[in-house]
This record gives sequence, structure tokens and C-alpha cells, in this order.
Amino acid sequence: QVQLQESGPGLVKPSETLSLTCAVSGYSISSAYYWGWIRQPPGKGLEWIGSIHHSGSTYYNPSLKSRVTISVDMSKNQFSLKLTSVSASDTAVYYCTRLAADGTLSWFDPWGQGTLVTVSS
Amino acid sequence: DIVMTQSPDSLVLSLGERATINCKSSQSVLYSSNNKNYLAWYQQKPGQPPKLLIYWASTRESGVPDRFSGSGSGTDFTLTISSLQAEDVAVYYCQQYYSIPITFGQGTRLEIK
Repeated sequence: QVQLQESGPGLVKPSETLSLTCAVSGYSISSAYYWGWIRQPPGKGLEWIGSIHHSGSTYYNPSLKSRVTISVDMSKNQFSLKLTSVSASDTAVYYCTRLAADGTLSWFDPWGQGTLVTVSS
Repeated sequence: DIVMTQSPDSLVLSLGERATINCKSSQSVLYSSNNKNYLAWYQQKPGQPPKLLIYWASTRESGVPDRFSGSGSGTDFTLTISSLQAEDVAVYYCQQYYSIPITFGQGTRLEIK
């Protein structure tokens, strides 16, 4: 059974860089699938941030593309998110997930439990 | 970007009633090459991640009760809960995966009367 677990600082200062890691267990990310990040501001809806394949191929939401980098570490079976120049509007629960169908266009399953990142000085 | 619009924003029904949640996409999410609608539905309960219910607009995920069903094609889709149970209280989201960026509806909150 595939399980995902997000980790990283829960508080980031404005203008700094948000960094999160997603540890995957029960499946080798080097085998197949795209892996992704989605966020949800408190009390609001879901926003896809971007997706990555173990080959390094990435797709980002154009609304965030200039500030986002997603990378993969196959040796640790994990992938990471970096979001630069954060502001209060980046405060959200960040989820890591797997794109369940083969390819870049897919539904998401499973999901990590999510981690709340607050941007505040 | 494909904009996903759900209706209603909230729904209050009694136990055993039928719940209908609509999702409209700003352009068709039906791929003519494979005749599949690139549309999924999720259920999210407080403090939990979204749970996949339906993909390909009408394929129920394994383990999802059969009171949940999805229908529709092109730009108009519906999630139906045939007989509302207490555990169905949640926010429901539709998602299109026809094109990048992948986008979600704003959510529909379902409550019990």
C-alpha cells in the first residue's frame, strides 16, 4: 500500500523559501507514475502546484511556475517542493500525492495527510 | 485554464435523501480519441485529505459505496449520492485532468438537516 508523508517547517517568513519533502513508502518512485503537490488555503479550495516524474520531467501550474521547483531523490524515495518569495497568500495545507493514471493528466490517489505552512513574520 | 464551477455551493438534506452535486467545465473535457471524460470527484472531511470517489466521470474507485455515482459528458457532470448517510457529510470537489493546469471546482458543502 502506497503511503505519502509530508514534512517541513510549519512557519516561513515572508519573502523566504518554503521547502517541503514527501516521503513515499510502499512503492518505488523510480518505477512509474507522476508525483505531485497540491495546496489548500484554510477554508478554501484545492490548487494543483505541479507534478514530477522520476525521469525529472516536471509540469507546473503557470500561476506559480516562476516560483516553484519540484525535484525527486530516488535514493531516498522522496520528492520535494520549493516555493520562493512566499507571502501570506501562500499560507495553506500542502499535500503530496500520486497521479494515479499513467501520464501527466490524471486524478490523484493516494494523498498524504497534509502539512500546514503558515507564512508570517 | 479550464474553469470548473460547482453548484450548489452548499446543500442541506435529510438522511436517506438523494444528493445531487453539479460540476460544469468551461470547455469540454471529453477526449474524442478515446471517448473518455477527464473528470474526477473527491470527498473531503474536516482535517482529512481529499478521498477519491470517481474517475473517468463515472468509474467508482474500489471500496467506495455504490450509493455514490457519477454521470455526465463533455462539460456537464453530476455526482449523485442515492441515499444520504450521516458519514457523507463533507465537502465534495470535482477535478478536470484534460489539460494543464489541472483544476478543481470550488467545492460543495453537504450537510445533514
